[in-house]
Amino acid sequence: DGGITQSPKYLFRKEGQNVTLSCEQNLNHDAMYWYRQDPGQGLRLIYYSQIVNDFQKGDIAEGYSVSREKKESFPLTVTSAQKNPTAFYLCASSIVQRANVLTFGAGSRLTVL
Amino acid sequence: SQQGEEDPQALSIQEGENATMNCSYKTSINNLQWYRQNSGRGLVHLILIRSNEREKHSGRLRVTLDTSKKSSSLLITASRAADTASYFCATVWTNFGNEKLTFGTGTRLTIIP
Repeated sequence: DGGITQSPKYLFRKEGQNVTLSCEQNLNHDAMYWYRQDPGQGLRLIYYSQIVNDFQKGDIAEGYSVSREKKESFPLTVTSAQKNPTAFYLCASSIVQRANVLTFGAGSRLTVL
Repeated sequence: SQQGEEDPQALSIQEGENATMNCSYKTSINNLQWYRQNSGRGLVHLILIRSNEREKHSGRLRVTLDTSKKSSSLLITASRAADTASYFCATVWTNFGNEKLTFGTGTRLTIIP
């Protein structure tokens, strides 16, 4: 089955620790995205990548980092510099030319203890 | 900000009734999309309507777009318990030559059996 796999589904972190969320897709999509969702709110774009070895900051990139070494993979690191990291994180991908229709993973819920 | 605003924020209806959700936005768009999110899950793309279209259907879904009022509506007919979810509009618009996709804040729909 083609799709996007995010792991882990639930993650707990102590303050001051970096954590990395995994996102893998087998859809052969060129573009990949990371969004943050807070309770009762819409999605805010953290980072996106349209091609391997290239990525751009979204609206709320501070305290986050990404890499795009392979077309299939777009991991997100939540660093200790992110002051309020507890949130639901969603990875998505798209065929760049298809009017930005996104396919989403199931999400990762990060809780800072 | 281009962020769409959905109205109402929450909606509860009896199974079998029709559900209508509205989305308003601020600047000209290339297209508008609707997504569904079940609790704790990723978003699923439902339907896309282009800026030169006024109405589109997909199964029990009907989407309208009024670019003069900068608004869209999503109608779900003959609602089912499985339609219980949050619904988000997303606008695709051009900002300084770059296409951007911005999500609204969502409508939480509850179908009462």
